[in-house]
Amino acid sequence: RKEVEQDPGPFNVPEGATVAFNCTYSNSASQSFFWYRQDCRKEPKLLMSVYSSGNEDGRFTAQLNRASQYISLLIRDSKLSDSATYLCVVNGGGGNKLTFGTGTQLKVEL
Amino acid sequence: GAGVSQSPSNKVTEKGKDVELRCDPISGHTALYWYRQSLGQGLEFLIYFQGNSAPDKSGLPSDRFSAERTGGSVSTLTIQRTQQEDSAVYLCASSLGVDSPLHFGNGTRLTVT
Repeated sequence: RKEVEQDPGPFNVPEGATVAFNCTYSNSASQSFFWYRQDCRKEPKLLMSVYSSGNEDGRFTAQLNRASQYISLLIRDSKLSDSATYLCVVNGGGGNKLTFGTGTQLKVEL
Repeated sequence: GAGVSQSPSNKVTEKGKDVELRCDPISGHTALYWYRQSLGQGLEFLIYFQGNSAPDKSGLPSDRFSAERTGGSVSTLTIQRTQQEDSAVYLCASSLGVDSPLHFGNGTRLTVT
Protein backbone atom coordinates (compact mmCIF):
# COMPACT_ATOMS: atom_id res chain seq x y z
CA ARG A 1 0.00 0.00 0.00
CA LYS A 2 1.30 3.47 -0.87
CA GLU A 3 2.01 5.82 2.03
CA VAL A 4 -0.39 8.43 0.66
CA GLU A 5 -3.01 7.74 -2.00
CA GLN A 6 -5.28 10.00 -3.99
CA ASP A 7 -7.70 9.50 -6.85
CA PRO A 8 -5.93 11.20 -9.78
CA GLY A 9 -9.20 12.34 -11.40
CA PRO A 10 -9.79 14.45 -13.36
CA PHE A 11 -12.90 15.68 -11.62
CA ASN A 12 -14.85 17.79 -14.11
CA VAL A 13 -17.50 19.87 -12.38
CA PRO A 14 -19.68 22.84 -13.36
CA GLU A 15 -19.11 26.22 -11.83
CA GLY A 16 -20.96 26.51 -8.52
CA ALA A 17 -20.79 22.80 -7.75
CA THR A 18 -19.55 21.27 -4.52
CA VAL A 19 -16.72 18.78 -4.90
CA ALA A 20 -14.87 16.64 -2.40
CA PHE A 21 -11.55 14.80 -2.53
CA ASN A 22 -10.25 12.15 -0.20
CA CYS A 23 -6.73 11.13 0.57
CA THR A 24 -5.82 7.95 2.45
CA TYR A 25 -2.60 7.40 4.39
CA SER A 26 -1.01 4.23 5.67
CA ASN A 27 0.89 5.31 8.78
CA SER A 28 -1.41 5.46 11.79
CA ALA A 29 1.24 7.48 13.68
CA SER A 30 1.00 10.40 11.24
CA GLN A 31 0.41 13.69 13.02
CA SER A 32 0.52 16.47 10.44
CA PHE A 33 -1.68 16.85 7.39
CA PHE A 34 -1.89 19.50 4.70
CA TRP A 35 -3.59 20.27 1.41
CA TYR A 36 -1.62 21.96 -1.34
CA ARG A 37 -2.71 23.38 -4.66
CA GLN A 38 -0.56 23.21 -7.78
CA ASP A 39 -1.31 25.11 -10.95
CA CYS A 40 0.10 23.97 -14.27
CA ARG A 41 3.84 24.62 -14.51
CA LYS A 42 3.92 26.24 -11.07
CA GLU A 43 5.24 25.15 -7.70
CA PRO A 44 2.81 23.73 -5.11
CA LYS A 45 1.36 26.25 -2.68
CA LEU A 46 -0.10 25.56 0.75
CA LEU A 47 -3.89 25.67 0.68
CA MET A 48 -4.58 24.74 4.27
CA SER A 49 -3.47 22.65 7.19
CA VAL A 50 -5.80 19.94 8.43
CA TYR A 51 -6.62 19.91 12.12
CA SER A 52 -8.08 17.08 14.16
CA SER A 53 -11.35 18.91 14.74
CA GLY A 54 -11.69 19.89 11.09
CA ASN A 55 -11.24 23.41 9.80
CA GLU A 56 -12.72 25.78 7.30
CA ASP A 57 -11.30 28.62 5.23
CA GLY A 58 -13.95 30.36 3.19
CA ARG A 59 -15.28 27.90 0.62
CA PHE A 60 -12.79 25.22 1.65
CA THR A 61 -13.29 22.68 4.44
CA ALA A 62 -10.70 20.12 5.50
CA GLN A 63 -11.40 17.14 7.72
CA LEU A 64 -9.40 14.33 9.29
CA ASN A 65 -10.72 10.85 9.99
CA ARG A 66 -8.10 9.07 12.09
CA ALA A 67 -10.10 5.87 12.48
CA SER A 68 -10.25 5.33 8.73
CA GLN A 69 -6.95 7.09 8.06
CA TYR A 70 -8.01 9.63 5.51
CA ILE A 71 -8.26 13.36 5.09
CA SER A 72 -10.75 15.18 2.93
CA LEU A 73 -11.07 18.51 1.17
CA LEU A 74 -14.46 19.97 0.33
CA ILE A 75 -14.81 22.90 -2.06
CA ARG A 76 -18.16 24.69 -2.13
CA ASP A 77 -19.42 27.00 -4.87
CA SER A 78 -16.48 26.08 -7.09
CA LYS A 79 -14.98 28.75 -9.35
CA LEU A 80 -13.18 28.47 -12.65
CA SER A 81 -10.07 29.62 -10.79
CA ASP A 82 -10.24 26.54 -8.55
CA SER A 83 -9.08 24.44 -11.51
CA ALA A 84 -5.77 22.95 -10.41
CA THR A 85 -4.22 19.81 -8.99
CA TYR A 86 -4.80 19.28 -5.27
CA LEU A 87 -2.09 17.46 -3.34
CA CYS A 88 -2.43 15.98 0.09
CA VAL A 89 0.61 15.83 2.33
CA VAL A 90 1.12 13.65 5.37
CA ASN A 91 4.05 13.30 7.73
CA GLY A 92 5.30 9.88 8.66
CA GLY A 93 5.08 10.31 12.42
CA GLY A 94 8.08 10.01 14.72
CA GLY A 95 9.89 12.81 12.93
CA ASN A 96 9.67 11.28 9.49
CA LYS A 97 9.53 13.41 6.41
CA LEU A 98 6.40 14.79 4.77
CA THR A 99 5.05 12.64 1.94
CA PHE A 100 2.99 13.94 -0.98
CA GLY A 101 0.16 12.18 -2.72
CA THR A 102 0.22 12.17 -6.50
CA GLY A 103 -2.57 14.74 -6.65
CA THR A 104 -6.17 15.01 -7.80
CA GLN A 105 -6.89 17.12 -10.85
CA LEU A 106 -9.93 19.39 -10.72
CA LYS A 107 -11.42 21.09 -13.76
CA VAL A 108 -14.22 23.57 -13.16
CA GLU A 109 -16.22 24.31 -16.30
CA LEU A 110 -18.76 26.92 -17.34
CA GLY B 1 10.27 38.40 3.79
CA ALA B 2 12.27 36.33 1.36
CA GLY B 3 10.91 32.99 0.31
CA VAL B 4 12.79 29.94 -0.92
CA SER B 5 15.13 30.94 -3.71
CA GLN B 6 16.40 28.58 -6.40
CA SER B 7 18.97 29.15 -9.07
CA PRO B 8 19.26 28.98 -11.96
CA SER B 9 15.61 29.17 -12.98
CA ASN B 10 16.42 27.45 -16.25
CA LYS B 11 19.36 25.29 -17.22
CA VAL B 12 20.08 23.70 -20.58
CA THR B 13 22.98 21.28 -20.65
CA GLU B 14 24.44 18.68 -22.96
CA LYS B 15 24.17 15.01 -22.17
CA GLY B 16 27.13 13.88 -20.12
CA LYS B 17 27.81 17.23 -18.45
CA ASP B 18 27.54 17.82 -14.71
CA VAL B 19 25.10 20.38 -13.30
CA GLU B 20 24.67 22.05 -9.93
CA LEU B 21 21.35 23.39 -8.73
CA ARG B 22 21.18 25.73 -5.76
CA CYS B 23 18.54 26.28 -3.10
CA ASP B 24 18.44 29.07 -0.50
CA PRO B 25 15.80 28.14 2.08
CA ILE B 26 13.87 30.54 4.24
CA SER B 27 16.05 31.74 7.10
CA GLY B 28 15.57 29.63 10.22
CA HIS B 29 14.01 26.68 8.42
CA THR B 30 15.65 23.50 9.60
CA ALA B 31 14.05 21.10 7.12
CA LEU B 32 14.91 21.13 3.42
CA TYR B 33 13.59 18.87 0.66
CA TRP B 34 14.45 18.33 -2.98
CA TYR B 35 11.86 17.00 -5.42
CA ARG B 36 11.70 16.65 -9.15
CA GLN B 37 8.68 16.78 -11.37
CA SER B 38 8.40 15.74 -14.98
CA LEU B 39 5.70 17.32 -17.15
CA GLY B 40 2.27 16.06 -16.16
CA GLN B 41 3.64 13.89 -13.37
CA GLY B 42 3.55 14.06 -9.60
CA LEU B 43 6.32 15.14 -7.26
CA GLU B 44 9.17 12.68 -6.95
CA PHE B 45 10.96 12.88 -3.60
CA LEU B 46 14.75 13.01 -3.89
CA ILE B 47 16.36 13.92 -0.56
CA TYR B 48 15.47 15.40 2.83
CA PHE B 49 17.67 17.29 5.29
CA GLN B 50 16.54 17.91 8.87
CA GLY B 51 18.81 19.94 11.12
CA ASN B 52 22.07 18.14 11.85
CA SER B 53 20.64 14.67 11.27
CA ALA B 54 21.93 12.44 8.49
CA PRO B 55 19.97 13.23 5.32
CA ASP B 56 17.33 10.87 4.00
CA LYS B 57 18.69 10.00 0.57
CA SER B 58 16.20 7.26 -0.15
CA GLY B 59 14.71 9.05 -3.18
CA LEU B 60 17.89 9.67 -5.15
CA PRO B 61 17.42 7.74 -8.40
CA SER B 62 21.07 6.85 -8.99
CA ASP B 63 24.58 7.48 -7.73
CA ARG B 64 24.87 10.28 -10.29
CA PHE B 65 22.72 12.36 -7.94
CA SER B 66 24.06 13.88 -4.75
CA ALA B 67 23.16 16.78 -2.50
CA GLU B 68 24.68 18.63 0.37
CA ARG B 69 23.56 21.28 2.76
CA THR B 70 26.23 23.55 4.13
CA GLY B 71 25.91 25.17 7.54
CA GLY B 72 22.30 24.11 7.81
CA SER B 73 21.29 26.61 5.17
CA VAL B 74 22.07 26.61 1.45
CA SER B 75 21.75 23.30 -0.39
CA THR B 76 23.23 22.17 -3.68
CA LEU B 77 21.91 19.30 -5.78
CA THR B 78 24.51 17.90 -8.16
CA ILE B 79 23.78 15.67 -11.12
CA GLN B 80 26.80 14.09 -12.74
CA ARG B 81 26.96 12.85 -16.33
CA THR B 82 23.45 14.10 -17.06
CA GLN B 83 21.10 11.97 -19.16
CA GLN B 84 18.05 13.05 -21.16
CA GLU B 85 15.75 11.39 -18.64
CA ASP B 86 17.06 13.82 -16.02
CA SER B 87 15.13 16.60 -17.77
CA ALA B 88 12.53 17.86 -15.32
CA VAL B 89 11.72 20.68 -12.94
CA TYR B 90 13.72 20.39 -9.73
CA LEU B 91 11.90 21.87 -6.75
CA CYS B 92 13.32 22.77 -3.38
CA ALA B 93 11.18 23.32 -0.29
CA SER B 94 11.90 24.24 3.32
CA SER B 95 9.99 24.24 6.57
CA LEU B 96 10.41 25.10 10.24
CA GLY B 97 10.33 21.46 11.19
CA VAL B 98 8.92 18.02 10.55
CA ASP B 99 5.38 19.00 11.44
CA SER B 100 5.33 22.33 9.63
CA PRO B 101 4.12 22.99 6.10
CA LEU B 102 6.58 23.26 3.24
CA HIS B 103 7.35 26.42 1.31
CA PHE B 104 8.49 25.84 -2.23
CA GLY B 105 10.88 27.70 -4.45
CA ASN B 106 10.01 28.43 -8.08
CA GLY B 107 12.08 25.49 -9.25
CA THR B 108 14.87 24.96 -11.75
CA ARG B 109 13.81 23.69 -15.16
CA LEU B 110 16.56 21.38 -16.39
CA THR B 111 16.75 20.38 -20.02
CA VAL B 112 19.35 17.84 -21.12
CA THR B 113 19.94 17.84 -24.86
